[in-house]
Amino acid sequence: GENVEQHPSTLSVQEGDSAVIKCTYSDSASNYFPWYKQELGKRPQLIIDIRSNVGEKKDQRIAVTLNKTAKHFSLHITETQPEDSAVYFCAASSGNTPLVFGKGTRLSVIA
Amino acid sequence: GAVVSQHPSWVICKSGTSVKIECRSLDFQATTMFWYRQFPKQSLMLMATSNEGSKATYEQGVEKDKFLINHASLTLSTLTVTSAHPEDSSFYICSASWALAAEQFFGPGTRLTVL
Repeated sequence: GENVEQHPSTLSVQEGDSAVIKCTYSDSASNYFPWYKQELGKRPQLIIDIRSNVGEKKDQRIAVTLNKTAKHFSLHITETQPEDSAVYFCAASSGNTPLVFGKGTRLSVIA
Repeated sequence: GAVVSQHPSWVICKSGTSVKIECRSLDFQATTMFWYRQFPKQSLMLMATSNEGSKATYEQGVEKDKFLINHASLTLSTLTVTSAHPEDSSFYICSASWALAAEQFFGPGTRLTVL
């Protein structure tokens, strides 16, 4: 089955700097890659997703890149703000199986 | 986005009792609902996938007789933790979607404490 690895497990950045979180997946049939943000004590919420027919997607300060050949995808947050502090989860699915989540990255943005 | 509710938000029970948790999709018909368990500072561990009107598919290592899942309608799925023990204490969170690999909308979670 699918296996998703996520790095780093924790990340601290200065406010205004960029943050990058990377995930790798094992199933070459995977074609859907969402990113979820979970603030402390709250539910995970989708922040951006990408499908395998696209290499990059951007939404304001957030972007996701996908390299299908290397089987990895990354989340990029630019101009980080304290409210970006949260746990971020990547996930992957082939369409015939449920999402498989990475272990999460705890991002701390230091003001 | 779509709204998913979960009830109760927290529950404390005695060892040996059963606890039912409800997950409702409030504004869309969820053909698929998922149940996760999340330990402190850890990832979401998928317990089972349920489809309306059919038996749930449990992940390896999850006891189907202990964690009973019923997806009776397109807007409601329930998880019953039977004969709960302290090791079952955890944060249980559901999500709903219209497909296996589509966006999942998460409920707010239920914190279960078994004494």
